[in-house]
Amino acid sequence: KNQVEQSPQSLIILEGKNCTLQCNYTVSPFSNLRWYKQDTGRGPVSLTIMTFSENTKSNGRYTATLDADTKQSSLHITASQLSDSASYICVVSDRGSTLGRLYFGRGTQLTVWP
Amino acid sequence: DAGVTQSPTHLIKTRGQQVTLRCSPKSGHDTVSWYQQALGQGPQFIFQYYEEEERQRGNFPDRFSGHQFPNYSSELNVNALLLGDSALYLCASSLAGSAETQYFGPGTRLLVL
Repeated sequence: KNQVEQSPQSLIILEGKNCTLQCNYTVSPFSNLRWYKQDTGRGPVSLTIMTFSENTKSNGRYTATLDADTKQSSLHITASQLSDSASYICVVSDRGSTLGRLYFGRGTQLTVWP
Repeated sequence: DAGVTQSPTHLIKTRGQQVTLRCSPKSGHDTVSWYQQALGQGPQFIFQYYEEEERQRGNFPDRFSGHQFPNYSSELNVNALLLGDSALYLCASSLAGSAETQYFGPGTRLLVL
């Protein structure tokens, strides 16, 4: 069964600190893995997208890693800001069809305190 | 260049009613996917439209139906609404066969009373 599991479910950190979010998946075949940021009541916004051959990608203070062998990914946030408070969702796309299907994790709810 | 747009932003319905949600994809995109996101949960895939046909479908009952128009815009229809249908409904667009990321709209918040 294709699944995406994220941990922790929720996380509270102080402004300026770093944090790392985890994602494990069993989706097969694998096409790409994306991290999205979703503010409450809004649509998800893409942070990074990585294919099988990529093992790290950065977007400003966000750095994602991918280990396709162990089927694990992480999202590292550096020098957190209050605006980083959001849900971070790991999404894996398969190659089961030419149109690709997305499998979503339940997200990690990050809260940054001043 | 407008991104993905959805309408309405918010909607309140009562049980048993029917609702239609609308989505316009990002310019240049030809594939539209719909997702249901309950509070505190990740999005759940409803179905995907390409070339005006439903191409893939998630585990949702037939009360959920859709349509894609020649201009690639799409509608999601839900009949016989249940309280459990209350959720944020997200539309995402992409280019078929592309590894490019899907772009999400802001969503429509549906409340069923």
